[in-house]
Amino acid sequence: ETGVTQSPTHLIKTRGQQVTLRCSSQSGHNTVSWYQQALGQGPQFIFQYYREEENGRGNFPPRFSGLQFPNYSSELNVNALELDDSALYLCASSSTGGYGYTFGSGTRLTVV
Amino acid sequence: GQQLNQSPQSMFIQEGEDVSMNCTSSSIFNTWLWYKQDPGEGPVLLIALYKAGELTSNGRLTAQFGITRKDSFLNISASIPSDVGIYFCAGQNNFGNEKLTFGTGTRLTIIP
Repeated sequence: ETGVTQSPTHLIKTRGQQVTLRCSSQSGHNTVSWYQQALGQGPQFIFQYYREEENGRGNFPPRFSGLQFPNYSSELNVNALELDDSALYLCASSSTGGYGYTFGSGTRLTVV
Repeated sequence: GQQLNQSPQSMFIQEGEDVSMNCTSSSIFNTWLWYKQDPGEGPVLLIALYKAGELTSNGRLTAQFGITRKDSFLNISASIPSDVGIYFCAGQNNFGNEKLTFGTGTRLTIIP
């Protein structure tokens, strides 16, 4: 079974730009969650998608948005990038009634 | 967003030594999890705890769910070089798809 794959692995953007990060969930998983991990910190929950709808959101502004597709893959979009958005963005997939999350290796976003 | 308090922040030990780390929260969780994160990777689940007072082992790892439901402990016995990494605790209100609230992490380094 394939795990969670994220793309790209690294990205450099300029302040004010927009970015889209992608995630393919593990086979058999129907729920995708996104986390932001700043350097030296633990991951922080951004939001979760289930059945193509947002199903819970952390303390992040509306310029952080997402999508889930019928094949359960997902995108994280961030508009009007700020320097503080520089972080590792982790995608995690799970299944309803299943055994927790499987995390991807993340996308390292640097905003300059 | 909320982060759980982990201590110590970092540990420098010799191979073969035992390791203890803990995690505390200001709020109650119904599930506690311990993850390990290697450089350039996402967190990997080590142990999940579902019941207050529960003690669970996974090989050389042993974790306990505090009786108050506001803390958890992880012990690693007879450390080996591959134990190097960052250990995160995470609280969850219900096991499965609910969001994870992570700790600040404990970085383990093994001195040759």
